[in-house]
Amino acid sequence: SQQGEEDPQALSIQEGENATMNCSYKTSINNLQWYRQNSGRGLVHLILIRSNEREKHSGRLRVTLDTSKKSSSLLITASRAADTASYFCATDEGTDKLIFGTGTRLQVFP
Amino acid sequence: DTGVSQNPRHKITKRGQNVTFRCDPISEHNRLYWYRQTLGQGPEFLTYFQNEAQLEKSRLLSDRFSAERPKGSFSTLEIQRTEQGDSAMYLCASSFETGGRETQYFGPGTRLLVL
Repeated sequence: SQQGEEDPQALSIQEGENATMNCSYKTSINNLQWYRQNSGRGLVHLILIRSNEREKHSGRLRVTLDTSKKSSSLLITASRAADTASYFCATDEGTDKLIFGTGTRLQVFP
Repeated sequence: DTGVSQNPRHKITKRGQNVTFRCDPISEHNRLYWYRQTLGQGPEFLTYFQNEAQLEKSRLLSDRFSAERPKGSFSTLEIQRTEQGDSAMYLCASSFETGGRETQYFGPGTRLLVL
C-alpha cells in the first residue's frame, strides 16, 4: 500500500519558473527521501532528509520536512526542460523498506 | 559503471511461463531490495536481503515468486506460472546499511510484459 500522497498529481511550468511539490505521509518516520524517475526508467535519488532535520538543500533543490504535520515539500528552482520527470517521496515508516507515494508528474516547457 | 544493474531490461513472455530477473548491486552494499511498479503508481516493496539472508517479504509476493541472494552479492527474482497481472516494472535497489536506514540506489529496472 502507498504510504502517502504527492500533491499536485501533475504540474506544468515554463523553463525558469520554480516548481513546488508536496508529500504527505501517515506514520512516524526516520527519514524521507525524494526520487526522480524519467519516463519508464529507474529511480534517481535526489535528497534524503532525516526526521530531526527541517530543511535541506542540494543544488537547485530545497526540501523541507514538518514531522508535526507529516508533510514534506520539494522545491526545484529555475527549472529546466531536463527536469521533466515524475517525482516521488519515500518514507521508511520506521522500517527498513521504502514506502512510496503516487508521484507528481512535472512537465517543464522550453 | 558502478551503479546497480539489472538484466534483462525488457522481457515479454506468455502467460504460464517462468521468468527470472537478475540484479547486481553496488559492490560494497550489504542490503538488496526488490520493488514492483505498475503504470501510474509508485514502487511497492516486495522483499529485501541483508547479505544472503532474506529478512522480509511483502504479502504482494505470492508463492509464485521467489528471490535469492545466494552469496550475498547478486540476486535473482523468479516468477513461476506468470499471469497477466504480473506485468510491471521490477526494480532492484541496494544500500550500505549501518543502522541509519541509508539511501537506496535503484537500478534501471526490468520491464515485464505477460501476454
